[in-house]
Amino acid sequence: AQTVTQSQPEMSVQEAETVTLSCTYDTSENNYYLFWYKQPPSRQMILVIRQEAYKQQNATENRFSVNFQKAAKSFSLKISDSQLGDTAMYFCAFMKRGGTSYGKLTFGQGTILTVHP
Amino acid sequence: GAVVSQHPSRVICKSGTSVKIECRSLDFQATTMFWYRQFPKQSLMLMATSNEGSKATYEQGVEKDKFLINHASLTLSTLTVTSAHPEDSSFYICSARTPRGDGYTFGSGTRLTVV
Repeated sequence: AQTVTQSQPEMSVQEAETVTLSCTYDTSENNYYLFWYKQPPSRQMILVIRQEAYKQQNATENRFSVNFQKAAKSFSLKISDSQLGDTAMYFCAFMKRGGTSYGKLTFGQGTILTVHP
Repeated sequence: GAVVSQHPSRVICKSGTSVKIECRSLDFQATTMFWYRQFPKQSLMLMATSNEGSKATYEQGVEKDKFLINHASLTLSTLTVTSAHPEDSSFYICSARTPRGDGYTFGSGTRLTVV
């Protein structure tokens, strides 16, 4: 079974600054996806970024980037130039590819990020 | 593309009644949908996996008779909370795997309040 751990229940950052959210996971699988999802106060789950395990290059989406350390099973999210609209709960998630549990998402506990003006 | 529509967004029902939540894939076919429950400031807890044309697979500890799941077509899955009690009050979210199979798209959620 896979586990995902987010050790920071809450984080805060000033507008325009950079913040990093931590995520570690445990799996014996080699073929998987990792995701960061954002859940703003509306509670709509929004995909922020996706990383394929077999790709060594870290994924980047505009102000969002990840530091994927496969051997260390670490997947942190860096948000640059933080904006007020980034205020949300962020979830790290794992999805195995293939096999009987193909497609199930395993979520971390979540990190509440508050961006202050 | 890959939009999932969930209705209703909010529902209040009386104890002992049943309430149905619908989840529709609007522009793709979803053979599998997932139902989650979420308490305030907590993570999403997978309740069950809904499979088109077959019985749902429930996670350990989830009451099958209380949370009835039907996936009668490739675009519609429903969750019915039967004989609702105040402790069933929660936020329920559905999701479906994207057509490319590289992630998930989520419904907007349903806030259920049982009074």
